[in-house]
Amino acid sequence: DGGITQSPKYLFRKEGQNVTLSCEQNLNHDAMYWYRQDPGQGLRLIYYSQIVNDFQKGDIAEGYSVSREKKESFPLTVTSAQKNPTAFYLCASSIPGPTDREKLFFGSGTQLSVL
Amino acid sequence: QKEVEQDPGPLSVPEGAIVSLNCTYSNSAFQYFMWYRQYSRKGPELLMYTYSSGNKEDGRFTAQVDKSSKYISLFIRDSQPSDSATYLCAMSAPGGGADGLTFGKGTHLIIQP
Repeated sequence: DGGITQSPKYLFRKEGQNVTLSCEQNLNHDAMYWYRQDPGQGLRLIYYSQIVNDFQKGDIAEGYSVSREKKESFPLTVTSAQKNPTAFYLCASSIPGPTDREKLFFGSGTQLSVL
Repeated sequence: QKEVEQDPGPLSVPEGAIVSLNCTYSNSAFQYFMWYRQYSRKGPELLMYTYSSGNKEDGRFTAQVDKSSKYISLFIRDSQPSDSATYLCAMSAPGGGADGLTFGKGTHLIIQP
């Protein structure tokens, strides 16, 4: 079955530690996205990538970094510079081409908490 | 004024009732309108996708867009306990793509058996 796989499901970060959230897709989608979801908040875009080896900052990129070395993979690193990292992180991809680009397919999410 | 407003709820209705979920927005450039359903601690899934104004029906779900009032709705007929979830509206302007999406905060819906 095609889809987006996020791992781990739960992740704990110690003070001053960098942690990496994994996102893999087998949908053959070009564009991938990372969102942050806080309780009672809408989804906020952290980073996105339209093609391999290229990515753009979203609305809340500070304290985060990404890479896109393969079409299938778009890992997100939460650095120690992110002072409030506790949130539910969602990875998504969208259909390539001129139509339906707004339709997002999401993974199951990673809950990151601070120890 | 926030770009997209959505009542967070919770909205609690008995099984079988018709549910109405709504979002208002301020950006008149929005042309693409979506509804996502999100179960607790899961990723959202796309329910309805509408371009510009009008209605779209899919089974028990109907999406309605009123661009003159900057108001979109999702109706659920014959609601079931399995419809209990958070419903997020999302919208974007032409050319924005998914990176231009603006989400509402979501409405938590509870269907009582």
